[in-house]
Amino acid sequence: GAVVSQHPSWVICKSGTSVKIECRSLDFQATTMFWYRQFPKQSLMLMATSNEGSKATYEQGVEKDKFLINHASLTLSTLTVTSAHPEDSSFYICSAPQGANYGYTFGSGTRLTVV
Amino acid sequence: TQLLEQSPQFLSIQEGENLTVYCNSSSVFSSLQWYRQEPGEGPVLLVTVVTGGEVKKLKRLTFQFGDARKDSSLHITAAQPGDTGLYLCAGYTEMAGSQGNLIFGKGTKLSVKP
Repeated sequence: GAVVSQHPSWVICKSGTSVKIECRSLDFQATTMFWYRQFPKQSLMLMATSNEGSKATYEQGVEKDKFLINHASLTLSTLTVTSAHPEDSSFYICSAPQGANYGYTFGSGTRLTVV
Repeated sequence: TQLLEQSPQFLSIQEGENLTVYCNSSSVFSSLQWYRQEPGEGPVLLVTVVTGGEVKKLKRLTFQFGDARKDSSLHITAAQPGDTGLYLCAGYTEMAGSQGNLIFGKGTKLSVKP
């Protein structure tokens, strides 16, 4: 089946630095990739939608200058957390839709800890 | 704004017991998806229900989509410790010219004790 590979699985960084998270669709082309954020014991909150070859669409309240999204090819979408702060510590997950009846394929998530 | 109310939020039961998780909304969905998520992992799709009144079975798990396509339930029979995890329902709405909109319930954290 469809696989979305997400890296890194976990990362610890210092405040003020930037972190890049990659999501690759391994056996299919993903024209769209969704990026979610999940706090402990909570559900997934959609942050933004990336579209290959065009600007990402951000949800209300998400700073586009802080969470940079690039979807440069049909198999790669990246999320860069810029000038990270401890409050950015969270679990970030990407997903690619497989069509209305086939659900979404999720990456394995990235645990970001900013110290 | 579409909302999907999922209940209960937490459920702790003994091995062998049955349980039901509910997802309710005032909105109509094109489909309803159920995911299971392990700690530190991304959600994994369990099933998609599309037709009002549809029932799908996956071993000991039974999924039902309401007749009006506004609600869904997940029933687990004879729960086992391996069923422990976070169960998420997600409602999908088709949107013209785009990939559609998927909204998640808050999840049900299930713990099955041996």
